[in-house]
Order: sequence, then structure tokens, then C-alpha cells
Amino acid sequence: DTGVSQDPRHKITKRGQNVTFRCDPISEHNRLYWYRQTLGQGPEFLTYFQNEAQLEKSRLLSDRFSAERPKGSFSTLEIQRTEQGDSAMYLCASSPSGFETQYFGPGTRLLVL
Amino acid sequence: GDSVTQMEGPVTLSEEAFLTINCTYTATGYPSLFWYVQYPGEGLQLLLKATKADDKGSNKGFEATYRKETTSFHLEKGSVQVSDSAVYFCALRGDNQGGKLIFGQGTELSVKP
Repeated sequence: DTGVSQDPRHKITKRGQNVTFRCDPISEHNRLYWYRQTLGQGPEFLTYFQNEAQLEKSRLLSDRFSAERPKGSFSTLEIQRTEQGDSAMYLCASSPSGFETQYFGPGTRLLVL
Repeated sequence: GDSVTQMEGPVTLSEEAFLTINCTYTATGYPSLFWYVQYPGEGLQLLLKATKADDKGSNKGFEATYRKETTSFHLEKGSVQVSDSAVYFCALRGDNQGGKLIFGQGTELSVKP
């Protein structure tokens, strides 16, 4: 049983560029969550999917952020026109349902120069 | 809204010392409570959980009891090891909130031989 995987693990980009991250959840997990973690802080919820449906978005998710989960399998998180304040670790987690344990991936560390 | 407050770190202990990391929460209804651990260079891992009042979660020698009267979920271990050095996060999952987790800011633990 493979865990949650994320790609890339590290990304360095220049301000104003677009970036896209991918998350592959544990097979057959219906729920997929995205969180953001800045240095010295706990993860903060961004958005979640039930299968392919995006059911909630945090107010932290500005218009420059978009997430998809086509076919209810992997998910992508895109940030357009990146800003230095977007520098953070982006974490993905999956669970069988909303009432079961979430399993986290290793994260994608983004640095915006 | 719901929130989690942890004692600030870093916490430095000698091997075999007793550990307590305080965690209090604010939530409506009956949240589930969690402790996650993040070892250096690794992703978040579930350490233990409790889903109702007076439940005790335990794993790897760590324990935490869900105290609704004091809205607390303090993490304890009787004898820490160098390998316990990590960042510990307290989290809650509220009722009817889609399963998203709300995390505290994390407490860094360093255990010296």
C-alpha cells in the first residue's frame, strides 16, 4: 500500500510565474485535502475534494489559486502569478471519508524569489 | 471559529525525562482530537487520536486524554528518547466541517542524550 505522493518535492520560481503541484492520494480514498504550512506554523486548510467535487475552499485560497481533481483520482494545485508570500510547504492529505484519519504526503516546498 | 492552542517551544529535555506538551482547543459541538508528529525531513504522521470525551489515545508510549471540561488534549510520555525529537502538532476535526483539520502552531521537541 503506497502512501500519498506529491510532485515536485521542491520548486523554486520567480515572482509572477505560474506553478502547478500534483498530489496522488492513497488508492480508493475519496477525500483529498490541501493544506499550506509556513515556517514555524501549523498547516492551514486550503480546500478539499470528495471524489471529483471541490466542496470547500478556504478564504486563504485567493483567485490566483485553483485546484482540480479530475476523475476523482490525483489532484493538482495551481498558483498563478506567484508572489513571495506564496512561499510555503504545500501539503496534500487523503482519507477514505470525512470521518477517518487523514494521511499526509511529504509536501511540496515552494520558494518564490 | 474553531481553534487550537499549543504550548510554545522549543522544548529541550534529557533522555528519559517526562514530557508534557499542552494543547487546548475551542470548538462547538463534539470535535475529534489528534496529535500529529513531523520528524526532520519527513511528512506529518498521525501519532494518536481521541474521538469523544474521556477517550485516551495512545501510541509508541505517548498518551493524551480528551478532557471536555477543560477543553484540553495534553500529550504525555513517561520517558522520552533521542528518537522522539520532532515537531508535534495538536489538531481538531470539528463536527460537520467536511473533515478538515485545524492545527495548532506546533511544538518542537529536542531530546538530548
